[in-house]
Amino acid sequence: GAVVSQHPSRVICKSGTSVKIECRSLDFQATTMFWYRQFPKQSLMLMATSNEGSKATYEQGVEKDKFLINHASLTLSTLTVTSAHPEDSSFYICSARGRGQGVEAFFGQGTRLTVV
Amino acid sequence: KNEVEQSPQNLTAQEGEFITINCSYSVGISALHWLQQHPGGGIVSLFMLSSGKKKHGRLIATINIQEKHSSLHITASHPRDSAVYICAVSPAMNYGGSQGNLIFGKGTKLSVKP
Repeated sequence: GAVVSQHPSRVICKSGTSVKIECRSLDFQATTMFWYRQFPKQSLMLMATSNEGSKATYEQGVEKDKFLINHASLTLSTLTVTSAHPEDSSFYICSARGRGQGVEAFFGQGTRLTVV
Repeated sequence: KNEVEQSPQNLTAQEGEFITINCSYSVGISALHWLQQHPGGGIVSLFMLSSGKKKHGRLIATINIQEKHSSLHITASHPRDSAVYICAVSPAMNYGGSQGNLIFGKGTKLSVKP
């Protein structure tokens, strides 16, 4: 099946710094990428949807200035957590969809972010 | 009420047992997904189905569209099956599914003891 690579898998950063998470589709062109966040013992919650070459669509309650999403190419999307705070500590995971793949979901490995 | 409900939340089984995890949803869907999440967090897609039944090895997934219900079965369970199993749906277009996002259940944590 299609492969989506997410990096880094774990990151610890200090409060106030920014962290960038990358999501790459390795063997297909990802026309749409989804970014999800998962708090302990909770469902994955959609943060934003990005289509290649256009601005991301953010879900209600997600601060677009805090969670910067860039989808500049058909194989790469990035999520930057700016001015991170401890409450941003969470598991972030991307999912990608390509042309002709319908609604099939291909997930990255996820990133465990800890802000200290 | 969540749009996707799973039961049970936690399940402990002995190696070799037959396991069933249930999923009910309340929106119209174009597809239902069963996902497996290991302790490290990575997610693997097990099945995507929109009708009937699919089988892959010891895993079987069924869906009843009329009843808005799906089950995931594991035959001859093994400790390596221990993981969180997540049911997710792709909402139909008239339920906001135009972008292809998923709505997730909270997951069922399965522990299979040797």
